[in-house]
Amino acid sequence: GESVGLHLPTLSVQEGDNSIINCAYSNSASDYFIWYKQESGKGPQFIIDIRSNMDKRQGQRVTVLLNKTVKHLSLQIAATQPGDSAVYFCAETSGTYKYIFGTGTRLKVLA
Amino acid sequence: ETGVTQSPTHLIKTRGQQVTLRCSSQSGHNTVSWYQQALGQGPQFIFQYYREEENGRGNFPPRFSGLQFPNYSSELNVNALELDDSALYLCASSLSFLAGINEQFFGPGTRLTVL
Repeated sequence: GESVGLHLPTLSVQEGDNSIINCAYSNSASDYFIWYKQESGKGPQFIIDIRSNMDKRQGQRVTVLLNKTVKHLSLQIAATQPGDSAVYFCAETSGTYKYIFGTGTRLKVLA
Repeated sequence: ETGVTQSPTHLIKTRGQQVTLRCSSQSGHNTVSWYQQALGQGPQFIFQYYREEENGRGNFPPRFSGLQFPNYSSELNVNALELDDSALYLCASSLSFLAGINEQFFGPGTRLTVL
């Protein structure tokens, strides 16, 4: 069935280092992918998205890479800050009403 | 521009009771989706409403039902509550997917505890 999963449940990085969070998806029909950040007690917050006709998209300190060949998505955070500590989810959709979320990766930023 | 709001923030119910959760969509958005997020898990799609009608549904039983009003606000109703219904319930609003793929904006959620 359709699924979106993450390789690492917890990622610890030193403040100032770059973070890479990975995600695998299985639905080859998915054509839109989103990364969300969720802080404790809050709803998911949009970080960055990418459509399937792109391989890379950059935002402020964040970059999303899409490898359709191996169905892999990654989020890169440059110069990780304490405020980046949160749970990160990837989500995918094939243009329908339904978004499928992964289980999440907790990012811990060490001072 | 007002973001997505949900009420109540927290709720405690007992098994077998019924609950109604409310969501106000972001200004200009006509589509509302509801998700259930169990502790330590990603959000699971419950259903979506567009123009006051259910537009799609995930793998949830019929005791999970919803409504959308003319002002695009929405309710999630859960009957015969079970212990496993304890979760964070998230509402997300967006423009209609018929206009193309659109970003969903999430509210802060309602934390439901079933005892």
